[in-house]
Amino acid sequence: AQSVTQLGSHVSVSEGALVLLRCNYSSSVPPYLFWYVQYPNQGLQLLLKYTSAATLVKGINGFEAEFKKSETSFHLTKPSAHMSDAAEYFCAADTQGGSEKLVFGKGTKLTVNP
Amino acid sequence: DSGVTQTPKHLITATGQRVTLRCSPRSGDLSVYWYQQSLDQGLQFLIQYYNGEERAKGNILERFSAQQFPDLHSELNLSSLELGDSALYFCASSSRDSGGGLSFGPGTRLLVL
Repeated sequence: AQSVTQLGSHVSVSEGALVLLRCNYSSSVPPYLFWYVQYPNQGLQLLLKYTSAATLVKGINGFEAEFKKSETSFHLTKPSAHMSDAAEYFCAADTQGGSEKLVFGKGTKLTVNP
Repeated sequence: DSGVTQTPKHLITATGQRVTLRCSPRSGDLSVYWYQQSLDQGLQFLIQYYNGEERAKGNILERFSAQQFPDLHSELNLSSLELGDSALYFCASSSRDSGGGLSFGPGTRLLVL
């Protein structure tokens, strides 16, 4: 069965530092991949998605992610963290090509320190 | 604002009771999905409807049921509630042309006492 693993349930960075949130998927078929962000007491918001086009995907709020088939990874990065980036981030995969039946990772809580 | 609305925002009830959660998808979206988010299980897919028909089922308990109405809004019914059903329940919607990805509502926080 398809699974998504997010390494590190908590990540802490300083304001202005690089943000790197890790996501690995298990699938023999490259899936559609997504990153969502959840701010406190809110629903999930789509940050970016990979749907087998360009391997480097740019999203909202300065985030981007790179699909690496050889590593089965889809890590999320942002060059310079902002206080407003503090939230929980979820990686998700859809192996059925756009069916939107997503399998989510457990989430990574990002803390940004001043 | 995702365009997906959910009511109520919060719900407190007792074990053994039954509740109904309501969702209105984003305008034009035919698919509705229900997810449960809990601390121990994370985000779990429950069920999907497309234009009134059940399309896919995930980890949905037999005590739970859902339906999508002709106006495309959906309801998730939870019965014989247990303490462990306390969670955030999200509704999401998508369109055929979305190219993947869901729009999530703000969620309903259910507390079973």
